[in-house]
Amino acid sequence: NAGVTQTPKFQVLKTGQSMTLQCAQDMNHNSMYWYRQDPGMGLRLIYYSASEGTTDKGEVPNGYNVSRLNKREFSLRLESAAPSQTSVYFCASSQNLGTSGSYNEQFFGPGTRLTVL
Amino acid sequence: DAKTTQPNSMESNEEEPVHLPCNHSTISGTDYIHWYRQLPSQGPEYVIHGLTSNVNNRMASLAIAEDRKSSTLILHRATLRDAAVYYCILSPYNQGGKLIFGQGTELSVKP
Repeated sequence: NAGVTQTPKFQVLKTGQSMTLQCAQDMNHNSMYWYRQDPGMGLRLIYYSASEGTTDKGEVPNGYNVSRLNKREFSLRLESAAPSQTSVYFCASSQNLGTSGSYNEQFFGPGTRLTVL
Repeated sequence: DAKTTQPNSMESNEEEPVHLPCNHSTISGTDYIHWYRQLPSQGPEYVIHGLTSNVNNRMASLAIAEDRKSSTLILHRATLRDAAVYYCILSPYNQGGKLIFGQGTELSVKP
């Protein structure tokens, strides 16, 4: 049981390049989340998917797109990377019943460290 | 979304109890109070959560004020492995379980 896995672990991009961060969970959770964490800061929610087939914006969605490919996988895409997107990206999942998910714990992946030059 | 306020840092001695405070004066009646912690170079880890009543689990206890405007995470006997950043988070009801993180409290534990 691997929990939440993220690929890649590290990535360096040049300004304007695109890339997709992959996230998968094997806990059969129906909700998944993408966060970013800048140095010395708390995590900020980028996008989330309360259930398969739905996605919603979080606090800082600009510059990102997401795809909930199936129940297991939730990807984050940077279409044209900018230095301001240099950060550590965390994916998380939780088991929620529809939209009433305010009481379930989230399980986090190990993170992807992204540097944009 | 309601916000939380925590001290930036706290120190503790090993094997002593630690009380980590959190203020959330704008909490709504249906917001759950969550605590997560983050060890260096790792993703956050769930600690405990509650709504109105005090909660205990194997890791910690959560004491919630009667008016719910503040809460305290209690680590009963701090160990060196408890050194981490502790986040007090309000999770809005009916919004997909999303968590709105604040700055957190960096806890250091002295041997």
